[in-house]
Amino acid sequence: DIVMTQSPDSLAVSLGERATINCKSSQSVLSSSNNKNLLVWYQQKPGHPPKLLIYWASTRESGVPDRFSGSGSGTDFTLTISSLQAEDVAVYYCQQHYGLPLTFGGGTKVEI
Amino acid sequence: EVQLVESGGGLVQPGGSLRLSCAASGFTLSSSWMHWVRQAPGKGLVWVSRINSDGGRTDYADSVKGRFTISRDNAKNTLYLQMNSLRAEDSAVYYCARNASGGSYYVHWGQGTLVTVSS
Repeated sequence: DIVMTQSPDSLAVSLGERATINCKSSQSVLSSSNNKNLLVWYQQKPGHPPKLLIYWASTRESGVPDRFSGSGSGTDFTLTISSLQAEDVAVYYCQQHYGLPLTFGGGTKVEI
Repeated sequence: EVQLVESGGGLVQPGGSLRLSCAASGFTLSSSWMHWVRQAPGKGLVWVSRINSDGGRTDYADSVKGRFTISRDNAKNTLYLQMNSLRAEDSAVYYCARNASGGSYYVHWGQGTLVTVSS
């Protein structure tokens, strides 16, 4: 199984400041067939299902504000919120879809 | 608008069974791989199972293999998860989710149905 390790478990950021979340996979999730990293990021607010933010490690889903960005390749990835807004308080998860079983990181709780 | 609506959750005793349903609308179910993902209270997301478009291929997490069965009825636009020999550790909110066009990740999720396994 590909183990996804997120850090930190939680972080507190002031409004307007940058938040950085890390995700490390136990093996590369770079697909040789399309040269894309099979890594996505979700945001989940209490009582709601996750919402897709980023796919292919760095492509923003339609409608997602541009303060959210993803970077990284191979085994190391980062989700950055450039200027934290109140509505960004949530838990963030990474997920690999390189192989089965599909696996998620443990989540990072972002607070103000 | 794509909608996924789960039902069938509830309280069940250890060793019991439940069948979850996921009613799909706003898209052609028969064109999509579908998944079940679960989340224990206060915990993270765990992939459970997936099924291909015509139901001919299924995959499961090791933790549910041999106890859970995923199926679909495309004519009824409904996805199912039959859960047998339930354990306390199966207690979770179960989400159905539609496979994205770019791979096994999810743009569309249901709101989830809560399964509680307890005596």
